[in-house]
Amino acid sequence: NAGVTQTPKFQVLKTGQSMTLQCAQDMNHEYMSWYRQDPGMGLRLIHYSVGAGITDQGEVPNGYNVSRSTTEDFPLRLLSAAPSQTSVYFCASSYAGLSYGYTFGSGTRLTVV
Amino acid sequence: AQKITQTQPGMFVQEKEAVTLDCTYDTSDQSYGLFWYKQPSSGEMIFLIYQGSYDEQNATEGRYSLNFQKARKSANLVISASQLGDSAMYFCAMRETGNQFYFGTGTSLTVIP
Repeated sequence: NAGVTQTPKFQVLKTGQSMTLQCAQDMNHEYMSWYRQDPGMGLRLIHYSVGAGITDQGEVPNGYNVSRSTTEDFPLRLLSAAPSQTSVYFCASSYAGLSYGYTFGSGTRLTVV
Repeated sequence: AQKITQTQPGMFVQEKEAVTLDCTYDTSDQSYGLFWYKQPSSGEMIFLIYQGSYDEQNATEGRYSLNFQKARKSANLVISASQLGDSAMYFCAMRETGNQFYFGTGTSLTVIP
């Protein structure tokens, strides 16, 4: 099925470990983003990309890196996990244009201990 | 200033009744898009409805309608004939000319049998 595939669904990390959250879409969307969702705070933008080779920071980029080598893939790297990064992470993609909404991945529940 | 404000952290509605979830937005753009998403307890983000800033009629999608009042910068979601399956978090979002999305903090809706 077409959509946004996000892996893994669950992950437990120890403080200081690094990992990559994978995100892939097969809809040829130009626009891809990573959000974190914390209780009472809605969705906060971490990084986004408007096309292959182009990335930019969002509201809460510290501690995260991204790259966009292809249109399809937009991995999120946690460099040195901290308990404050315990959250639910969503990848989302969209066509460029005001009338297009996001298609979201199923989310990754990350716990840092 | 918040781009999207949802002032109702939690709402209750009797089954089969209608409910309105409030959303106000802040933008100086003339062109923008407004969206509502549903997040059930399973966690996925589901697109519900879209309204363009130049649309003169309120958007409708089945039991969902968007009460768009441009001068008041409000985009309230109306759910008619509530069902138990409507119990979820609801997020209002806006997309501006720069393609950036902004989300509110969400409203938790509980449908009472």
